[in-house]
Amino acid sequence: DVKVTQSSRYLVKRTGEKVFLECVQDMDHENMFWYRQDPGLGLRLIYFSYDVKMKEKGDIPEGYSVSREKKERFSLILESASTNQTSMYLCASSFSVRGYNEQFFGPGTRLTVL
Amino acid sequence: ELKVEQNPLFLSMQEGKNYTIYCNYSTTSDRLYWYRQDPGKSLESLFVLLSNGAVKQEGRLMASLDTKARLSTLHITAAVHDLSATYFCAVDFGNEKLTFGTGTRLTIIP
Repeated sequence: DVKVTQSSRYLVKRTGEKVFLECVQDMDHENMFWYRQDPGLGLRLIYFSYDVKMKEKGDIPEGYSVSREKKERFSLILESASTNQTSMYLCASSFSVRGYNEQFFGPGTRLTVL
Repeated sequence: ELKVEQNPLFLSMQEGKNYTIYCNYSTTSDRLYWYRQDPGKSLESLFVLLSNGAVKQEGRLMASLDTKARLSTLHITAAVHDLSATYFCAVDFGNEKLTFGTGTRLTIIP
């Protein structure tokens, strides 16, 4: 069974704090993704990574950065948290196999920025 | 532009009835995925459709893919309360990512 874990289910931070969200997968997947999910807006891709130390911007990268130092771990960083980053954050991973791109999701982190 | 549209966005159904959720997408793809999300939870993979004409069934849910029409359907048969959730379709446009629809929130009413 694929397992994707995220470091926190719930997180409360203050405006201006630096925030780290961690994601770990145990299936040796090449690709990893960070999304945010807001009511009425569906899932929006923030960043993704297709290999260690590689990253690509998604649709809404502003205010975020990422780090992938090891294949199994993908971190999302909010350099200076703002209230408009209050959201549910979902991590996902997938194999890099041509023609098959099923993504497996972690449980999510609900972040509140006060 | 790569777009995926689902309709309806909200659906209330009576138990025992049948209904269909539609997923249209903007450009060629023959790889589509359906996910389920329960309130407050993450996304769970339901179906993987990898070719034109693909049909998958699990219990009261059946998904199909028509790549010529750029359309996938998720059909619910004799709905039961346990199927209440939000359903997402996601399309692989060949760029290593998935483009998600906005989701259909399904509520089954006794």
